[in-house]
Amino acid sequence: GAVVSQHPSWVICKSGTSVKIECRSLDFQATTMFWYRQFPKQSLMLMATSNEGSKATYEQGVEKDKFLINHASLTLSTLTVTSAHPEDSSFYICSASQTGPYSYEQYFGPGTRLTVT
Amino acid sequence: AQKITQTQPGMFVQEKEAVTLDCTYDTSDPSYGLFWYKQPSSGEMIFLIYQGSYDQQNATEGRYSLNFQKARKSANLVISASQLGDSAMYFCAMREGGTGGFKTIFGAGTRLFVKA
Repeated sequence: GAVVSQHPSWVICKSGTSVKIECRSLDFQATTMFWYRQFPKQSLMLMATSNEGSKATYEQGVEKDKFLINHASLTLSTLTVTSAHPEDSSFYICSASQTGPYSYEQYFGPGTRLTVT
Repeated sequence: AQKITQTQPGMFVQEKEAVTLDCTYDTSDPSYGLFWYKQPSSGEMIFLIYQGSYDQQNATEGRYSLNFQKARKSANLVISASQLGDSAMYFCAMREGGTGGFKTIFGAGTRLFVKA
């Protein structure tokens, strides 16, 4: 149980275009989802926290207009990278919690590798 | 300020031997959780072990154990009987309650190499 999927697993897009990444909780309802970014050989950096039905809370330094997060249902959150540039190339990982933000459990998706050319 | 510190960028261990990966943390919140994750080259984050700040005993999960020393704010991961498949990146992480907003923050990671 507690499986989180991401789609696509990898994507290549041209500079200036937008790309959407989906994060789904397959067998549980995720009241809270987190989005992370990981550059090569670096650690995971939290980008934002989203609770179902409300606006995402972005970490300091993360452009909310560039990284649009939507958590419209209890099983789906999307991250849209708008007007992507090569510096946005990274590994994006989502995680989900079924018991809300006040819990220590979270389940990670397999990640999406974005390459912007 | 760095809240999770992993001072070993890389570690080598002989197959079948035990290895300890270091992690220290900093928090003023009395309620927090400590985690270790394994990240193989595929990129997925694999949960290994969890220790709650109020847990009296050190957590164990199979070959993994967490050496929790609360007063020293350390949460070292011990892997016993290393296997070649243990070669991966290992991240220590902390999730603070209350003032920490229940966000999980990660250390820089330690790359473990298991030698045959």
